[in-house]
Amino acid sequence: DAGVIQSPRHEVTEMGQEVTLRCKPISGHDYLFWYRQTMMRGLELLIYFNNNVPIDDSGMPEDRFSAKMPNASFSTLKIQPSEPRDSAVYFCASSSASPKPGELFFGEGSRLTVL
Amino acid sequence: AQKVTQAQTEISVVEKEDVTLDCVYETRDTTYYLFWYKQPPSGELVFLIRRNSFDEQNEISGRYSWNFQKSTSSFNFTITASQVVDSAVYFCALSEPTTGNQFYFGTGTSLTVIP
Repeated sequence: DAGVIQSPRHEVTEMGQEVTLRCKPISGHDYLFWYRQTMMRGLELLIYFNNNVPIDDSGMPEDRFSAKMPNASFSTLKIQPSEPRDSAVYFCASSSASPKPGELFFGEGSRLTVL
Repeated sequence: AQKVTQAQTEISVVEKEDVTLDCVYETRDTTYYLFWYKQPPSGELVFLIRRNSFDEQNEISGRYSWNFQKSTSSFNFTITASQVVDSAVYFCALSEPTTGNQFYFGTGTSLTVIP
């Protein structure tokens, strides 16, 4: 079975540009999470969805960040405009409430560098 | 308040030594799940173990063992006869179904195994 798929794996962009990160969760999983990892702040939860509905977006840094989940097999995290402090690894993860609640499967991450 | 505390930021051991990574959690729920993840230098997050709150039996998997003690709210991870390939950052995490299966990660413990 395919795991969580993220794209792009690496992105280098200039400050002010729009960045879109993509995620395909594991089929059948009803929870999807976006995390950001930096050396300074560790793993931060940005937002998570349940059945395509955003449940908690309190971790989204500011209005420049937005996330969508138009269907059960696709989600995007958009940063517009990007800033150097957004440089981080962004992980997407999915899980299922059944049969093993809470077991989180991560994608390989998208490493973003904003110059 | 931090729900998951990993007090050890960095640990170095010499190969073949045993090492224990500490994890203390905080929850008011009676049903919850605890996890350990490994993040090797390549960056992906690898699931190691899931434990539910009703199962206090310790678990052993090869050189890895986990000690779950509800009385002290701890879920410690021991690597026996450490190897260089064990060098990684290890994260402990808590999931509470009552908060929508949201995951709470500790700040991680960076383990370096010296040959």
